[in-house]
Amino acid sequence: ETGVTQTPRHLVMGMTNKKSLKCEQHLGHNAMYWYKQSAKKPLELMFVYNFKEQTENNSVPSRFSPECPNSSHLFLHLHTLQPEDSALYLCASSQPGGLAGSSTDTQYFGPGTRLTVL
Amino acid sequence: RKEVEQDPGPFNVPEGATVAFNCTYSNSASQSFFWYRQDCRKEPKLLMSVYSSGNEDGRFTAQLNRASQYISLLIRDSKLSDSATYLCVVNAGNFNKFYFGSGTKLNVKP
Repeated sequence: ETGVTQTPRHLVMGMTNKKSLKCEQHLGHNAMYWYKQSAKKPLELMFVYNFKEQTENNSVPSRFSPECPNSSHLFLHLHTLQPEDSALYLCASSQPGGLAGSSTDTQYFGPGTRLTVL
Repeated sequence: RKEVEQDPGPFNVPEGATVAFNCTYSNSASQSFFWYRQDCRKEPKLLMSVYSSGNEDGRFTAQLNRASQYISLLIRDSKLSDSATYLCVVNAGNFNKFYFGSGTKLNVKP
C-alpha cells in the first residue's frame, strides 16, 4: 500500500543531532497527524493539521517541531532529543468533514519511522 | 476516565476458536467507530469500520451499542495469522479527533 509514505523508515541519531521525518499522503486528504508509539505502549497523539493549519498540539516538547507546507506533506523536525524519545513515529491522514459514519472519516497510517536516540 | 478503554489481554486461544473483544467509550457524542489491527512493530491497519448497528466481514463481526457506549469485535474460526493487537478507535464527532484504546492482544495457538 502506498497511500501514506514515511521516510526514513529507520533513524539513529545522537542527542545533539538535528533530523527531520517526512510524511506524504496520496489520498487527497486534508488532515494529517503525528503519533508516537513507545515500546509496548498505546499510541500517543502529538500533532494534528487540518487544511495545513495546526489544530492540535498535545503538550509535545518543543524539541519536536512539526511543519505542514501543504495538505499532502507533513514533517517532524527533531533537535536535541533524549533517549526516552526513542519510539515508532507514525503519520496518518484522514478526510475531515466527511459524512459521519461513512468511509470518508477513516484514518490511514504510514509505515512509521523507527527512531533510536543514543 | 480514558476516552476509550479496552481489556489489554492477552487472549490466548486455540486455532478455530471464537473470541470476542469489547471496548467502551466515554463520549456519548461519538460518531464513528473502528477496529484496527496492529502487528508487532508495524503500523495500525484498518480492520473494520463499525456503523449503525454493526457489520460483518467474513469471519469478523463488529457490533455497536450506543445506549451502553460499547463496541465489540467477534472473530470466528481463529487463524494463526489473526495473532495481533486489536485497537478500538472512536471519532468523537470532531472529525479530526480520533481516540485510540490501548489495544487487546490476541495470541492464536496451534
